[in-house]
Amino acid sequence: DAGVTQSPTHLIKTRGQQVTLRCSPISGHKSVSWYQQVLGQGPQFIFQYYEKEERGRGNFPDRFSARQFPNYSSELNVNALLLGDSALYLCASSIGQGRAPGANVLTFGAGSRLTVL
Amino acid sequence: AQKITQTQPGMFVQEKEAVTLDCTYDTSDPSYGLFWYKQPSSGEMIFLIYQGSYDQQNATEGRYSLNFQKARKSANLVISASQLGDSAMYFCAMRERNSGAGSYQLTFGKGTKLSVIP
Repeated sequence: DAGVTQSPTHLIKTRGQQVTLRCSPISGHKSVSWYQQVLGQGPQFIFQYYEKEERGRGNFPDRFSARQFPNYSSELNVNALLLGDSALYLCASSIGQGRAPGANVLTFGAGSRLTVL
Repeated sequence: AQKITQTQPGMFVQEKEAVTLDCTYDTSDPSYGLFWYKQPSSGEMIFLIYQGSYDQQNATEGRYSLNFQKARKSANLVISASQLGDSAMYFCAMRERNSGAGSYQLTFGKGTKLSVIP
């Protein structure tokens, strides 16, 4: 079975540009989350979508937006790029049901590495 | 205050030896879950083990075990019989119940880089 797939794997942008990152979850997973991982740090939560609705948003500016499509794939958009947006952007999927803290293990993709010059 | 603290930026272990990676957490939610992930240089986060706050026994998954000390708010990862392929970054993470149904947010620590020496 295919895991979580992300594209592109690497990209280089300049300040002020816009970027769109894509994620396809594991088949049957209805929840997609996005995390930003700056070099030397742990991942930080950006967004979570479940059944095409936003269920959570981390402490990121409005330049960051996302959406989930009917097939549960997702896009993360970042506008007006800053040097500080350079990071590994990780997408994770989970089944999305159940309230128990361990009901849904997140399965991560390999990430999209964004460099802003 | 940090919710997840990993105090060891780097650790070395001899091949075939056991190693413990430390993790302490901070939460007022009585229902929470603790996770450990491994991140090789390729970047993908690989799930290793989970411990629920109400679980009576320490979680184990093959060579991985979680030393859960609730009163001390610690959830240390123990890797037995280390292998060269265990060299990677290891992250401790927590999900709190107040995330709500259908909501899922993990808070990660800064990680520990483990190097296995032949």
